Amino acid sequence: EDQVTQSPEALRLQEGESSSLNCSYTVSGLRGLFWYRQDPGKGPEFLFTLYSAGEEKEKERLKATLTKKESFLHITAPKPEDSATYLCAVRLDSNYQLIWGAGTKLIIKP
Amino acid sequence: DVKVTQSSRYLVKRTGEKVFLECVQDMDHENMFWYRQDPGLGLRLIYFSYDVKMKEKGDIPEGYSVSREKKERFSLILESASTNQTSMYLCASTTTPTLELFFGEGSRLTVL
Repeated sequence: EDQVTQSPEALRLQEGESSSLNCSYTVSGLRGLFWYRQDPGKGPEFLFTLYSAGEEKEKERLKATLTKKESFLHITAPKPEDSATYLCAVRLDSNYQLIWGAGTKLIIKP
Repeated sequence: DVKVTQSSRYLVKRTGEKVFLECVQDMDHENMFWYRQDPGLGLRLIYFSYDVKMKEKGDIPEGYSVSREKKERFSLILESASTNQTSMYLCASTTTPTLELFFGEGSRLTVL
């Protein structure tokens, strides 16, 4: 069964404390992996798309990487405004639908 | 910037009522989606539409229907609301299904 699992469920960091969020997947064929950010009471906002193992994308304090089994979202020296829930989703070869992880809630304390 | 607007941010309905959730996008996107988001679960696709008057069932279509009479508007209908349909409903659109989705701010529905 195709599955996407995010860990941890929640992560509390001090401002400036770097860490990584994980998105592991077991799917029959990967056509793309997406990262989104979701603020409370809002819809998800697109961050990155990764298509093949070894690919990396960066945006401000965030860097996304991809292997054949998982993706990491590295956050460097985070600030309180980086607090949000981060979602990953996988698009399969076989159709246009996405399989979503349950998300990681990131809390950055000042 | 792409804007996806959902008509109601918060709704409270009674069991058995008919509920309409409307979504409008302003970027001429062909593809529109309705998702449901519940705590501890990933987003689940209810229905999507790739063209006017076209629709496809997603993973959890039971108890829902949709309407797309105009390209910019995609409506989700709950014919007879039930308490297990209490959830956050998210509308999204995209020009090509392989690209990123643009989401609305969500409609939080409570069914009593």
